Amino acid sequence: GAGVSQSPRYKVAKRGQDVALRCDPISGHVSLFWYQQALGQGPEFLTYFQNEAQLDKSGLPSDRFFAERPEGSVSTLKIQRTQQEDSAVYLCASSLVSVGRMNSPLHFGNGTRLTVT
Amino acid sequence: KQEVTQIPAALSVPEGENLVLNCSFTDSAIYNLQWFRQDPGKGLTSLLLIQSSQREQTSGRLNASLDKSSGRSTLYIAASQPGDSATYLCASRGGYSTLTFGKGTMLLVSP
Repeated sequence: GAGVSQSPRYKVAKRGQDVALRCDPISGHVSLFWYQQALGQGPEFLTYFQNEAQLDKSGLPSDRFFAERPEGSVSTLKIQRTQQEDSAVYLCASSLVSVGRMNSPLHFGNGTRLTVT
Repeated sequence: KQEVTQIPAALSVPEGENLVLNCSFTDSAIYNLQWFRQDPGKGLTSLLLIQSSQREQTSGRLNASLDKSSGRSTLYIAASQPGDSATYLCASRGGYSTLTFGKGTMLLVSP
């Protein structure tokens, strides 16, 4: 596609529910990142994929957070037993080249705004 | 752990003014420094990327500088326009997956 697509745009979940957020990166992009952006804050790194391999998940805040990219394209971020502190915008970004190319630009989607009530 | 700070947190200027946004970072061992723009309800748009070996980058009315030794970067916007109103974020790249963002500067340019 023309850009990184994320769905849904908005998600309201009751505390304790599980949610799944989807990211369609730009076709052919090798690298995929997930970020969490709380209100009034900058984005915080969650996890990184190179193709289907999850190379870094050091930013995932707890074991309730899980991400996958089984075929090296679409990625899903799953949050189990959601808590109020999970409320944030979840941003996905993709990049054409792989880990060695530090200066390749990241292309961001518009994000999914998750509200946990 | 890298910390990125942006000053000011918010800025309001009349159309036509030149302005400077500031970004500072605590760890100078970075690969690059990037400036992004974020419109309300939208994702981030990359504006400028300065490699660690460079001192500045220019794109149209935007000029970004980098002083690694002092841990500072500035984004200069010339002849500001109402369409420049957005939140501007800087981010340092410290590794293949490590992009550390500041909290942003919210800019409002009034006609």
